[in-house]
Amino acid sequence: DTAVSQTPKYLVTQMGNDKSIKCEQNLGHDTMYWYKQDSKKFLKIMFSYNNKELIINETVPNRFSPKSPDKAHLNLHINSLELGDSAVYFCASSPPWTSGRVTVQYFGPGTRLTVL
Amino acid sequence: SQQGEEDPQALSIQEGENATMNCSYKTSINNLQWYRQNSGRGLVHLILIRSNEREKHSGRLRVTLDTSKKSSSLLITASRAADTASYFCATAGYSSASKIIFGSGTRLSIRP
Repeated sequence: DTAVSQTPKYLVTQMGNDKSIKCEQNLGHDTMYWYKQDSKKFLKIMFSYNNKELIINETVPNRFSPKSPDKAHLNLHINSLELGDSAVYFCASSPPWTSGRVTVQYFGPGTRLTVL
Repeated sequence: SQQGEEDPQALSIQEGENATMNCSYKTSINNLQWYRQNSGRGLVHLILIRSNEREKHSGRLRVTLDTSKKSSSLLITASRAADTASYFCATAGYSSASKIIFGSGTRLSIRP
């Protein structure tokens, strides 16, 4: 009965490859997010979807493309992987906004991506 | 740009002591949240304080918010070994496309 799950947990790949990370939440939340956490633990938002619609798109290289087939899933596809993409990627979800206010976020366990 | 900055970056205390972490932010907020991250895990929400609140408690946690100084503190009383983790503050603004912005975190170590 995992609330927010991600696969895979670990991903080791060569530079230049294309890879995907999947995320699913069974909390019934409308909004899902992708975050990147670097080696210094700094957590930065990348994308957010609300009911399958992209609402936040930070300054992220267009090699990163999120896809939300339904509001319970948000996948992240990365093309032409680079060394600097090595990080831990977290998926999160949050309940519907009330008057546009962000509420608590529920995080997945993370995917550690290592680009060699 | 990064909104919240935690202080100290790292804190090591003896089990049973109290731990205090501070967070400063730059712009007006709707609410401020604290999260915990155990090593190798995702973040877990601890407590949320709204901009019109000054203090909030949850078990051994006490959070204060001073909007005039744009700062918040998280106090963990009677620390336990299981409290060893990184703690992050996160701020939420007012816009409809608002997002929460995380600080850089405080790494807390509890010595047995």
